[in-house]
Amino acid sequence: DAGITQSPRHKVTETGTPVTLRCHQTENHRYMYWYRQDPGHGLRLIHYSYGVKDTDKGEVSDGYSVSRSKTEDFLLTLESATSSQTSVYFCAISERQGMTYEQYFGPGTRLTVT
Amino acid sequence: AQKVTQAQTEISVVEKEDVTLDCVYETRDTTYYLFWYKQPPSGELVFLIRRNSFDEQNEISGRYSWNFQKSTSSFNFTITASQVVDSAVYFCALSDGNYGQNFVFGPGTRLSVLP
Repeated sequence: DAGITQSPRHKVTETGTPVTLRCHQTENHRYMYWYRQDPGHGLRLIHYSYGVKDTDKGEVSDGYSVSRSKTEDFLLTLESATSSQTSVYFCAISERQGMTYEQYFGPGTRLTVT
Repeated sequence: AQKVTQAQTEISVVEKEDVTLDCVYETRDTTYYLFWYKQPPSGELVFLIRRNSFDEQNEISGRYSWNFQKSTSSFNFTITASQVVDSAVYFCALSDGNYGQNFVFGPGTRLSVLP
């Protein structure tokens, strides 16, 4: 158990509204990630963080922003939600294992944009 | 660029059958890491195994085994004597070994084990 929680777990929102998803971890991991999961695409990286206030874009970052003001929290914001952002969102942390890192995931947030 | 292909979108087997899930990867790195994750119907992602590119030994864990072949860029996963509880989506993933910003997932294979 990597001690990762996500909130909310489910959310339905309307097109054009802002949405913030929260990822919280309890084990002081430096690296945190936001992915989205869509059928046929596996998981795709949205943004990641390599420390407090240090973030960078992933493969599918358009329409998303992130913030990390504390080690334990990594927020994902959809400034103006669109139907194409309906997805399951997973937060992950990286944990050093030998010469590499393994990623462990939170329980996911199912977001529906109507 | 790194890429992971899982050509089998869905597989159905009857309980107690053996089943192999295929994973083919592409990378230019000489050092890389391969992973398998399981996503049961409840939705969480469960880490199963990590394999380093410099270690081609196959691995067995109970009913699970993994066959890593660098020559064919494949990292296949076999479940022996499948059980209904093995029903899940299985993802293969590839990393360049850094802290994870280049962690690439395949599209997944949905395995249904029928009683």
